[in-house]
Amino acid sequence: EPEVTQTPSHQVTQMGQEVILRCVPISNHLYFYWYRQILGQKVEFLVSFYNNEISEKSEIFDDQFSVERPDGSNFTLKIRSTKLEDSAMYFCASRGLASGEQYFGPGTRLTVT
Amino acid sequence: SQQGEEDPQALSIQEGENATMNCSYKTSINNLQWYRQNSGRGLVHLILIRSNEREKHSGRLRVTLDTSKKSSSLLITASRAADTASYFCATDEVLGAQKLVFGQGTRLTINP
Repeated sequence: EPEVTQTPSHQVTQMGQEVILRCVPISNHLYFYWYRQILGQKVEFLVSFYNNEISEKSEIFDDQFSVERPDGSNFTLKIRSTKLEDSAMYFCASRGLASGEQYFGPGTRLTVT
Repeated sequence: SQQGEEDPQALSIQEGENATMNCSYKTSINNLQWYRQNSGRGLVHLILIRSNEREKHSGRLRVTLDTSKKSSSLLITASRAADTASYFCATDEVLGAQKLVFGQGTRLTINP
């Protein structure tokens, strides 16, 4: 069964460093999303991406964040200068054109020290 | 903004019993989805119910949706220890990129 994959599973970085989180969505899906979940809190929407551009972003998704689909399979989230408060689990999700189901990857746990 | 809020926040039952979790939201939706999350792990999609549907079944799962009350329920029948997890409802907007808005979740514990 097709699934969303994410790498790495755990990333530890120092404050101020850049990180890139990688995702491979389900191959025939067209909508891609990033969400995050701070420990013990709700899952929060960050950004949605369709047709090679951002279709919606939340207030969290400021200038430090960017997304890219560098090729036909990968979808990345870059945080330019990490802060302590960026420590969270980051989930990638994808959705097909006709269906509403969003399928999530296993997540990348980002720890900023 | 719309929110999915689950009730109760925590539920502990004996194996074999049924578990019911509720979700409320605030605005018009396209559909409502339920997810399961084992501690520290990813979100597993369980079931989607569309705004024009009232009930849906999948295996031991039964989901209802009442758009007039802006509420949904997830029933897990004949619970098993492996059902121990957090359960979240997530709603999306009628318009837009269909971002999901999650509630705080219900922590379900199945006691053997």
